[in-house]
Amino acid sequence: SQKIEQNSEALNIQEGKTATLTCNYTNYSPAYLQWYRQDPGRGPVFLLLIRENEKEKRKERLKVTFDTTLKQSLFHITASQPADSATYLCALDPGGANNLFFGTGTRLTVIP
Amino acid sequence: DAGITQSPRHKVTETGTPVTLRCHQTENHRYMYWYRQDPGHGLRLIHYSYGVKDTDKGEVSDGYSVSRSKTEDFLLTLESATSSQTSVYFCAISESRGEETQYFGPGTRLLVL
Repeated sequence: SQKIEQNSEALNIQEGKTATLTCNYTNYSPAYLQWYRQDPGRGPVFLLLIRENEKEKRKERLKVTFDTTLKQSLFHITASQPADSATYLCALDPGGANNLFFGTGTRLTVIP
Repeated sequence: DAGITQSPRHKVTETGTPVTLRCHQTENHRYMYWYRQDPGHGLRLIHYSYGVKDTDKGEVSDGYSVSRSKTEDFLLTLESATSSQTSVYFCAISESRGEETQYFGPGTRLLVL
């Protein structure tokens, strides 16, 4: 069956450090992968999209990598801040039709 | 939340009762989606719409129906609510298919007793 796994349910990190979140998938060959942020009691908010032919994508302090051989995406937040504390979700579209399948998310806490 | 509202925001109902959740958008986006979010499962697609009166099933569609009579409104109906449908329901919209960002509403928290 198709599966998307985010490495840990929760991740605590000291302010100023780099947070690295992992998204692994099986039985997919996605054309692209998306990362979303979700705050408690709110809907997910889009952060970044990376295509299968892109190795890396950056946006301000965020960086995403996509390794289709390993079937893995890494999401990095550099110089993390307490305001970065949230749950981060990865999402795949197996068929390229924008029917997204989501991972269960990693709850990141940045400790001041 | 990108011009998307959901109503009600919270609802408590009893098993066997019909329930309708409404999603309203002001972005004029063609595609609309209903997801449910449960601990340990993440977001799962229930149904989606690719235009007025055009809908299709998602991953977890059993027990749910949808309707879209206007571009701006997408209704999700639980014909006879069950406790397993206790969840947080999110509506999302996108301008087109393919590599399109989905914009999510604020969610509806539904408790079925």
